[in-house]
Amino acid sequence: DTAVSQTPKYLVTQMGNDKSIKCEQNLGHDTMYWYKQDSKKFLKIMFSYNNKELIINETVPNRFSPKSPDKAHLNLHINSLELGDSAVYFCASSQGILGTGEGGYTFGSGTRLTVV
Amino acid sequence: AQSVTQLGSHVSVSEGALVLLRCNYSSSVPPYLFWYVQYPNQGLQLLLKYTTGATLVKGINGFEAEFKKSETSFHLTKPSAHMSDAAEYFCAVSDAGTASKLTFGTGTRLQVTL
Repeated sequence: DTAVSQTPKYLVTQMGNDKSIKCEQNLGHDTMYWYKQDSKKFLKIMFSYNNKELIINETVPNRFSPKSPDKAHLNLHINSLELGDSAVYFCASSQGILGTGEGGYTFGSGTRLTVV
Repeated sequence: AQSVTQLGSHVSVSEGALVLLRCNYSSSVPPYLFWYVQYPNQGLQLLLKYTTGATLVKGINGFEAEFKKSETSFHLTKPSAHMSDAAEYFCAVSDAGTASKLTFGTGTRLQVTL
């Protein structure tokens, strides 16, 4: 049973399109995150949600809009996609914001977004 | 603000040799420290973490790391490398007070040769 699952795994789309990535966790965690990994494998936080409330928005363009319908889900919608949005997007979750639980921050397997 | 420096973007060791991956952090508050491993085309898997208590932390797959406050370091070691250890390793830090996010280093690719 996958702990943090993301769909789709791969996404190829044209510039200007709008797309969504979905994330679900079955760990009972109350905090979820989106991270972006660029082509040099650098990982950077985008958003953090605790109990469905946004607690971190790390200077991400407002073309990116996260939505957390409940504690188990955090989706990412991207409007007007640009070439520079090409990256791997990782969803993660934790129990509490400190990541001190047994699994720390648990990551999904990523969504590779390619904008052409 | 926090930051993480991983010395050596690429480390190569022979199978059976000691693995040492270096991580230094900068934090104005007590840190929580993490090591993650990423195999090709996969997500990140937690190897180990330091939050409080014993400064020598043992993780999965025979890895361990020691938190040294005086040196602001959290180096990752394994006594004997296996071919299956070849992967990208990331050190990360969070703020023990407010956390809410991980700040990652730039990663170290570990190559294991016969």
